[in-house]
Amino acid sequence: SQQGEEDPQALSIQEGENATMNCSYKTSINNLQWYRQNSGRGLVHLILIRSNEREKHSGRLRVTLDTSKKSSSLLITASRAADTASYFCATDKGGQNFVFGPGTRLSVLP
Amino acid sequence: DTGVSQDPRHKITKRGQNVTFRCDPISEHNRLYWYRQTLGQGPEFLTYFQNEAQLEKSRLLSDRFSAERPKGSFSTLEIQRTEQGDSAMYLCASSLAGGHEKLFFGSGTQLSVL
Repeated sequence: SQQGEEDPQALSIQEGENATMNCSYKTSINNLQWYRQNSGRGLVHLILIRSNEREKHSGRLRVTLDTSKKSSSLLITASRAADTASYFCATDKGGQNFVFGPGTRLSVLP
Repeated sequence: DTGVSQDPRHKITKRGQNVTFRCDPISEHNRLYWYRQTLGQGPEFLTYFQNEAQLEKSRLLSDRFSAERPKGSFSTLEIQRTEQGDSAMYLCASSLAGGHEKLFFGSGTQLSVL
């Protein structure tokens, strides 16, 4: 079974609004990563946060990690239509088996 | 273009046939991964190589599946006696060992088993 579980499964917002997606996981991790996937394409790495970090920023992206709650959130600020995609969190426990959640499908309406 | 490339992009086959997919990773990457993804789901880990050594295999990888990376560069994934349940997107990714590496994915091979 997949370790990560994103929430919500689907999210629809207007351009310019912020989008927040959450990821919960079950066991301890070394790192948590967020990826984006456009329809019918491969995944693209967005950001990595280590287990000893609490927050990280990259451009319009903000990721938080709460290891006590085994959860992470991805915030996309000032969303654009081009942000429409599926977003996945992936965890690793120090091995090389990166485990992906089922994803959040984000639709940004112009 | 020096990204991860996969071939073919699409494959339609009849149940019972064998299929083989190829993945060419980013040239300096020594780790190579295969994932399978069905509609509406996240990628599921199948196997990974470091150089030519296959270091981990998922229990999802039945005896009908075999992967190779003979010279530590490109990799092939073969599915024998395909079943309709094998229909999925097969994704290849590569990374550079030594640190908190991120995965670079190819565009995938979409397999349809009729």
